[in-house]
Amino acid sequence: SYVLTQPPSVSVAPGQTATVTCGGTDIGSYSVHWYQQKPGQAPVLVVLDDTNRPSGIPERFSGSNSENTATLTISRVEAGDEADYYCQLWDSRSDHVVFGGGTKLTVL
Amino acid sequence: EVQLLESGGGLVQPGGSLRLSCAGSGFTFSSHAMTWVRQAPGKGLEWVSAISGSGDSTYDADSVKGRFTISRDNSKNTLFLQMKSLRAEDTAVYYCAKFPCDNTACLGLAFDSWGQGTLVTVSS
Repeated sequence: SYVLTQPPSVSVAPGQTATVTCGGTDIGSYSVHWYQQKPGQAPVLVVLDDTNRPSGIPERFSGSNSENTATLTISRVEAGDEADYYCQLWDSRSDHVVFGGGTKLTVL
Repeated sequence: EVQLLESGGGLVQPGGSLRLSCAGSGFTFSSHAMTWVRQAPGKGLEWVSAISGSGDSTYDADSVKGRFTISRDNSKNTLFLQMKSLRAEDTAVYYCAKFPCDNTACLGLAFDSWGQGTLVTVSS
């Protein structure tokens, strides 16, 4: 089955840029989505279809996807961005939804 | 406003059964594929099952295949997850979520709304 690999943790100082990666074989040929989850809350969609933001999500959140790595970039990081972030795609070969293991973003 | 409200969670013994429900409102329920995602305590998100808007097509994770059954009642705007032969490793918060549309191509799209989840604990 398809596997998505994320770093367990990323740390960044306020005002800096955070980069969260999601690795997978030829992931660039898939449509990747990103969710933010804060403690005790349901996940919230922050990037869809590799690069698009849902309404209400700040422009500071952006995404890219190429070859074997999809990336979520958070610019000008704020304390409120501290959360777990998950990448997700649909694997049509297995008809399965696949999630990455999640990355905990810590704002120093 | 789209709302998804899960119910039916609780404590169940290993080998037991439980049925979860997810009531949808604020959108045309039958026009959207739906899914269940779970999260074990302190762990990441794990996809469980998905179902088309009509209910004709279902998809299951290997970890629950043959034990869990996803279904829906569009007349009651409700999604279900029937869980049997429960194991300790099924302990998790179970979320329902919706796809933005119904057809097979929608399965590649993001989940645009989530419920708040219901906790299932499998323990003796």
